[in-house]
Amino acid sequence: EVQLLESGGGSVQPGGSLRLSCAASGFTFNTYAMSWVRQAPGKGLEWVSSISNDGGSTKYADSVKGRFTISRDNSKNTLYLQTYNLRAEDTAIYYCAKDPRDWGWIYFDYWGQGTLVTVSS
Amino acid sequence: EIVMTQSPATLSVSPGERATLSCRASQSVSNSLAWYQQKPGQAPRLLIYGASTRATGIPARFSGSGSGTEFTLTISSLQSEDFAVFYCQQYYDWPPWFGQGTKVEIK
Repeated sequence: EVQLLESGGGSVQPGGSLRLSCAASGFTFNTYAMSWVRQAPGKGLEWVSSISNDGGSTKYADSVKGRFTISRDNSKNTLYLQTYNLRAEDTAIYYCAKDPRDWGWIYFDYWGQGTLVTVSS
Repeated sequence: EIVMTQSPATLSVSPGERATLSCRASQSVSNSLAWYQQKPGQAPRLLIYGASTRATGIPARFSGSGSGTEFTLTISSLQSEDFAVFYCQQYYDWPPWFGQGTKVEIK
């Protein structure tokens, strides 16, 4: 059974940083691309970032480019999202999502339950 | 970038009735279109990919159709557990944007 367990969310002041983690199990982690998708309170889904199976390719939404860094440790079956210079508009539930391929066309066949990031002074 | 527009924003349907949801892309995405269902307090769930292929474990009452810029998700006979928000998402090009969602509520 595929399981994705996010952690690392919390409350932070504007300008602060957080490192989100996603522990994966139930599938061969190093075979698949992974992504982060967020959802602001009461709003729709917004893709944030994706990384290829080997970590060699990454993509970011313009809204987070230069402030967020996606990475993965295939030896630990873990996906990360390092966030910097957080803004109020980054407040959201952050979902870890598995892609069905190693890279390329990105959609999401499994999702974690999410971790809440709140940016407020 | 490709903008995805869903309609209607809210759809009121009685249990047992058919629901038809629309998704339009600002330019052709071929058949690179996925549909997701999200219930309150839960993560989204993949329903359809490739515009018309049901994901693992998805009941046959869910069907997808379309190609190019116009897509439809049909729920043939709504069950109580189907009431939720539905999102389409294109994966033809970066960024893989979602539509704004259609809420299917009980009439």
